[in-house]
Amino acid sequence: TQLLEQSPQFLSIQEGENLTVYCNSSSVFSSLQWYRQEPGEGPVLLVTVVTGGEVKKLKRLTFQFGDARKDSSLHITAAQPGDTGLYLCAGFTSGTYKYIFGTGTRLKVLA
Amino acid sequence: DTAVSQTPKYLVTQMGNDKSIKCEQNLGHDTMYWYKQDSKKFLKIMFSYNNKELIINETVPNRFSPKSPDKAHLNLHINSLELGDSAVYFCASSQSGALSYEQYFGPGTRLTVT
Repeated sequence: TQLLEQSPQFLSIQEGENLTVYCNSSSVFSSLQWYRQEPGEGPVLLVTVVTGGEVKKLKRLTFQFGDARKDSSLHITAAQPGDTGLYLCAGFTSGTYKYIFGTGTRLKVLA
Repeated sequence: DTAVSQTPKYLVTQMGNDKSIKCEQNLGHDTMYWYKQDSKKFLKIMFSYNNKELIINETVPNRFSPKSPDKAHLNLHINSLELGDSAVYFCASSQSGALSYEQYFGPGTRLTVT
Protein backbone atom coordinates (compact mmCIF):
# COMPACT_ATOMS: atom_id res chain seq x y z
CA THR A 1 0.00 0.00 0.00
CA GLN A 2 1.39 3.35 -1.01
CA LEU A 3 1.54 5.92 1.76
CA LEU A 4 2.45 9.57 1.88
CA GLU A 5 3.34 10.53 5.41
CA GLN A 6 3.32 14.18 6.33
CA SER A 7 5.02 15.72 9.33
CA PRO A 8 4.27 17.38 11.54
CA GLN A 9 0.61 16.52 11.84
CA PHE A 10 -0.16 19.74 13.68
CA LEU A 11 1.77 22.99 13.89
CA SER A 12 0.90 26.12 15.80
CA ILE A 13 3.28 29.04 15.41
CA GLN A 14 3.45 32.79 15.88
CA GLU A 15 3.16 35.21 13.01
CA GLY A 16 6.55 35.92 11.47
CA GLU A 17 8.07 32.51 12.21
CA ASN A 18 9.37 30.13 9.56
CA LEU A 19 8.25 26.53 9.19
CA THR A 20 8.79 23.44 7.10
CA VAL A 21 6.33 20.67 6.34
CA TYR A 22 7.55 17.32 5.09
CA CYS A 23 5.95 14.74 2.82
CA ASN A 24 7.64 11.34 2.68
CA SER A 25 7.07 8.04 0.95
CA SER A 26 8.86 4.87 -0.02
CA SER A 27 7.31 5.12 -3.49
CA VAL A 28 8.62 7.06 -6.45
CA PHE A 29 6.23 9.62 -7.87
CA SER A 30 6.00 10.97 -11.39
CA SER A 31 4.74 14.23 -9.99
CA LEU A 32 3.80 15.66 -6.66
CA GLN A 33 1.40 18.42 -5.76
CA TRP A 34 0.76 20.57 -2.71
CA TYR A 35 -2.70 21.81 -1.79
CA ARG A 36 -4.08 24.06 0.92
CA GLN A 37 -7.54 23.43 2.28
CA GLU A 38 -9.50 25.84 4.44
CA PRO A 39 -12.45 24.79 6.63
CA GLY A 40 -15.63 24.12 4.66
CA GLU A 41 -13.86 24.32 1.32
CA GLY A 42 -12.16 22.03 -1.13
CA PRO A 43 -8.37 21.80 -1.52
CA VAL A 44 -6.74 24.44 -3.70
CA LEU A 45 -3.65 23.51 -5.67
CA LEU A 46 -0.52 25.48 -4.75
CA VAL A 47 2.15 23.87 -6.91
CA THR A 48 3.10 20.84 -9.01
CA VAL A 49 6.66 19.50 -9.07
CA VAL A 50 7.77 16.87 -11.56
CA THR A 51 11.58 16.81 -11.68
CA GLY A 52 13.78 15.33 -8.95
CA GLY A 53 15.52 18.14 -7.08
CA GLU A 54 13.14 20.75 -8.43
CA VAL A 55 12.57 23.86 -6.34
CA LYS A 56 9.62 26.15 -6.89
CA LYS A 57 8.80 29.39 -5.14
CA LEU A 58 5.42 30.96 -4.68
CA LYS A 59 5.88 34.25 -2.81
CA ARG A 60 6.82 33.17 0.75
CA LEU A 61 6.34 29.47 0.00
CA THR A 62 9.20 27.30 -1.26
CA PHE A 63 8.55 23.78 -2.49
CA GLN A 64 11.18 21.15 -3.11
CA PHE A 65 10.92 17.72 -4.71
CA GLY A 66 13.46 15.19 -3.47
CA ASP A 67 16.18 14.02 -5.84
CA ALA A 68 14.75 10.50 -5.84
CA ARG A 69 11.18 11.82 -6.22
CA LYS A 70 10.07 10.07 -3.05
CA ASP A 71 9.69 13.08 -0.81
CA SER A 72 8.94 16.78 -0.81
CA SER A 73 9.02 19.73 1.51
CA LEU A 74 7.13 22.98 1.86
CA HIS A 75 8.87 25.87 3.58
CA ILE A 76 6.98 29.00 4.60
CA THR A 77 8.92 32.12 5.42
CA ALA A 78 7.50 34.72 7.81
CA ALA A 79 4.19 32.94 8.28
CA GLN A 80 1.02 35.00 8.38
CA PRO A 81 -2.42 34.21 9.84
CA GLY A 82 -3.70 33.87 6.27
CA ASP A 83 -1.43 30.82 5.87
CA THR A 84 -3.57 28.93 8.38
CA GLY A 85 -5.09 25.79 6.91
CA LEU A 86 -4.66 22.13 6.13
CA TYR A 87 -1.71 21.44 3.85
CA LEU A 88 -1.87 18.30 1.75
CA CYS A 89 0.68 16.74 -0.53
CA ALA A 90 -0.46 14.36 -3.27
CA GLY A 91 1.59 12.10 -5.49
CA PHE A 92 0.96 10.48 -8.84
CA THR A 93 2.56 7.25 -9.97
CA SER A 94 2.27 6.87 -13.72
CA GLY A 95 3.16 3.19 -13.69
CA THR A 96 0.25 2.14 -11.50
CA TYR A 97 -1.87 5.19 -12.36
CA LYS A 98 -2.42 5.89 -8.68
CA TYR A 99 -2.98 9.27 -7.09
CA ILE A 100 -2.70 9.40 -3.32
CA PHE A 101 -2.95 12.19 -0.81
CA GLY A 102 -0.73 12.67 2.19
CA THR A 103 -1.91 12.47 5.77
CA GLY A 104 -2.11 16.26 6.05
CA THR A 105 -0.55 18.99 8.20
CA ARG A 106 -2.79 21.38 10.07
CA LEU A 107 -1.11 24.76 10.40
CA LYS A 108 -2.30 27.53 12.65
CA VAL A 109 -0.55 30.88 12.57
CA LEU A 110 -1.31 33.09 15.54
CA ALA A 111 -1.37 36.87 15.18
CA ASP B 1 -18.94 32.12 -11.46
CA THR B 2 -18.48 28.88 -9.58
CA ALA B 3 -16.02 26.58 -11.33
CA VAL B 4 -16.98 23.29 -9.67
CA SER B 5 -20.27 23.14 -7.83
CA GLN B 6 -21.82 20.41 -5.75
CA THR B 7 -25.31 19.91 -4.35
CA PRO B 8 -26.31 19.53 -1.67
CA LYS B 9 -23.76 21.13 0.66
CA TYR B 10 -25.07 19.12 3.61
CA LEU B 11 -26.92 15.83 3.58
CA VAL B 12 -28.29 14.13 6.68
CA THR B 13 -30.00 10.81 6.19
CA GLN B 14 -30.72 7.52 7.88
CA MET B 15 -29.03 4.20 7.42
CA GLY B 16 -30.42 2.16 4.57
CA ASN B 17 -31.51 5.13 2.48
CA ASP B 18 -30.37 5.86 -1.06
CA LYS B 19 -29.02 9.32 -1.87
CA SER B 20 -27.34 11.19 -4.70
CA ILE B 21 -24.83 14.01 -4.82
CA LYS B 22 -24.58 16.13 -7.95
CA CYS B 23 -21.52 17.81 -9.40
CA GLU B 24 -21.14 20.22 -12.26
CA GLN B 25 -18.09 21.99 -13.68
CA ASN B 26 -18.13 24.93 -16.07
CA LEU B 27 -14.41 24.89 -16.83
CA GLY B 28 -14.67 22.84 -20.00
CA HIS B 29 -12.54 20.10 -18.43
CA ASP B 30 -12.53 16.56 -19.77
CA THR B 31 -12.00 14.72 -16.53
CA MET B 32 -13.95 14.67 -13.29
CA TYR B 33 -13.34 12.93 -9.98
CA TRP B 34 -14.98 11.96 -6.73
CA TYR B 35 -13.01 11.99 -3.50
CA LYS B 36 -13.93 11.02 0.05
CA GLN B 37 -12.45 12.87 3.04
CA ASP B 38 -12.87 11.18 6.38
CA SER B 39 -13.03 12.69 9.85
CA LYS B 40 -9.23 12.69 10.09
CA LYS B 41 -9.09 14.77 6.91
CA PHE B 42 -7.62 11.90 4.90
CA LEU B 43 -8.56 12.41 1.25
CA LYS B 44 -8.95 9.41 -1.00
CA ILE B 45 -9.83 9.20 -4.66
CA MET B 46 -12.89 7.08 -5.45
CA PHE B 47 -13.64 7.48 -9.14
CA SER B 48 -12.45 9.32 -12.20
CA TYR B 49 -14.28 9.88 -15.47
CA ASN B 50 -12.74 11.12 -18.69
CA ASN B 51 -15.20 12.23 -21.35
CA LYS B 52 -17.97 10.24 -19.67
CA GLU B 53 -15.81 7.10 -19.50
CA LEU B 54 -14.76 5.57 -16.20
CA ILE B 55 -10.95 5.50 -15.97
CA ILE B 56 -10.33 5.07 -12.25
CA ASN B 57 -12.39 2.96 -9.95
CA GLU B 58 -10.70 2.53 -6.61
CA THR B 59 -11.76 -0.11 -4.16
CA VAL B 60 -15.06 1.26 -2.98
CA PRO B 61 -18.24 -0.69 -2.15
CA ASN B 62 -20.43 -1.27 -5.17
CA ARG B 63 -23.16 0.63 -3.31
CA PHE B 64 -21.41 3.67 -4.74
CA SER B 65 -22.18 4.27 -8.39
CA PRO B 66 -20.96 7.27 -10.36
CA LYS B 67 -22.89 8.49 -13.36
CA SER B 68 -21.69 10.96 -15.96
CA PRO B 69 -24.50 12.15 -18.27
CA ASP B 70 -22.05 14.48 -20.03
CA LYS B 71 -18.51 15.64 -19.47
CA ALA B 72 -19.63 18.63 -17.38
CA HIS B 73 -21.49 16.50 -14.85
CA LEU B 74 -20.52 13.65 -12.57
CA ASN B 75 -23.07 12.48 -10.04
CA LEU B 76 -22.56 10.04 -7.20
CA HIS B 77 -25.33 7.72 -6.16
CA ILE B 78 -25.07 5.79 -2.92
CA ASN B 79 -27.37 2.86 -2.11
CA SER B 80 -28.14 1.43 1.32
CA LEU B 81 -26.22 4.07 3.22
CA GLU B 82 -24.16 2.94 6.20
CA LEU B 83 -22.80 4.81 9.21
CA GLY B 84 -19.28 4.49 7.81
CA ASP B 85 -20.27 6.44 4.72
CA SER B 86 -20.38 9.61 6.81
CA ALA B 87 -17.70 11.89 5.40
CA VAL B 88 -17.18 14.90 3.18
CA TYR B 89 -17.34 14.06 -0.51
CA PHE B 90 -15.49 16.27 -2.96
CA CYS B 91 -15.94 16.51 -6.67
CA ALA B 92 -13.03 17.76 -8.77
CA SER B 93 -12.17 18.31 -12.40
CA SER B 94 -9.04 18.67 -14.49
CA GLN B 95 -8.16 19.51 -18.04
CA SER B 96 -6.76 16.11 -18.75
CA GLY B 97 -7.04 12.56 -17.50
CA ALA B 98 -3.48 12.74 -16.29
CA LEU B 99 -3.66 13.13 -12.54
CA SER B 100 -0.63 15.38 -12.58
CA TYR B 101 -2.76 18.12 -14.04
CA GLU B 102 -4.19 20.80 -11.79
CA GLN B 103 -7.40 19.68 -10.19
CA TYR B 104 -10.14 22.08 -9.23
CA PHE B 105 -12.20 20.97 -6.27
CA GLY B 106 -15.78 21.71 -5.40
CA PRO B 107 -16.80 22.95 -1.94
CA GLY B 108 -17.69 19.46 -0.73
CA THR B 109 -20.84 17.71 0.46
CA ARG B 110 -20.93 16.75 4.10
CA LEU B 111 -22.83 13.50 4.39
CA THR B 112 -24.02 12.40 7.81
CA VAL B 113 -25.63 9.00 8.15
CA THR B 114 -27.56 8.44 11.38
